[in-house]
Amino acid sequence: NAGVTQTPKFRILKIGQSMTLQCTQDMNHNYMYWYRQDPGMGLKLIYYSVGAGITDKGEVPNGYNVSRSTTEDFPLRLELAAPSQTSVYFCASKGAGGSYNEQFFGPGTRLTVL
Amino acid sequence: AQTVTQSQPEMSVQEAETVTLSCTYDTSENNYYLFWYKQPPSRQMILVIRQEAYKQQNATENRFSVNFQKAAKSFSLKISDSQLGDTAMYFCALGGGSEKLVFGKGTKLTVNP
Repeated sequence: NAGVTQTPKFRILKIGQSMTLQCTQDMNHNYMYWYRQDPGMGLKLIYYSVGAGITDKGEVPNGYNVSRSTTEDFPLRLELAAPSQTSVYFCASKGAGGSYNEQFFGPGTRLTVL
Repeated sequence: AQTVTQSQPEMSVQEAETVTLSCTYDTSENNYYLFWYKQPPSRQMILVIRQEAYKQQNATENRFSVNFQKAAKSFSLKISDSQLGDTAMYFCALGGGSEKLVFGKGTKLTVNP
């Protein structure tokens, strides 16, 4: 049981490039989330999904896209990378049953846009 | 809108002593949940403790306990017998009916030997 896995761990992009951050969970969780963590700040929600085929915007969705074709996978797409997207990105998942349930986090992806 | 405020950017404590981290929040929901997450230098987010707002009894997990003051919208974390491994960023988070969490900016805790 690997929990939540993210790839890659680190990435450097040039301005204007695109990339996809991968996230997979093996806990059969319905809910999945993407956060970004800027230096000295807490986590801010980018997008989330309540199940396969259903996604919704969080607090800071601009510049990102997501899809959820399976329960396990929730990739985050960056189009036309900008320096403002330099951050650490975390994927998380949670089972059904209400907000009291714990969100399980992946190890994070450190992205630098130069 | 839900908000979470952690007013202590950094704190330090001597090993084996007790430290309290502060958190205040705001929400218009009646049913909500509060969490403390730990983020050590490895960057992994780890749940430390959680509290259901409708429960008056403060949650406790081994050396970690909370002081939940609902009327004051305060949710502080007390760490007893601090250990070097407690050195980390600590985030307070608020969840409600939307299945989403709102995080505070965090408190960096250093445990000194």
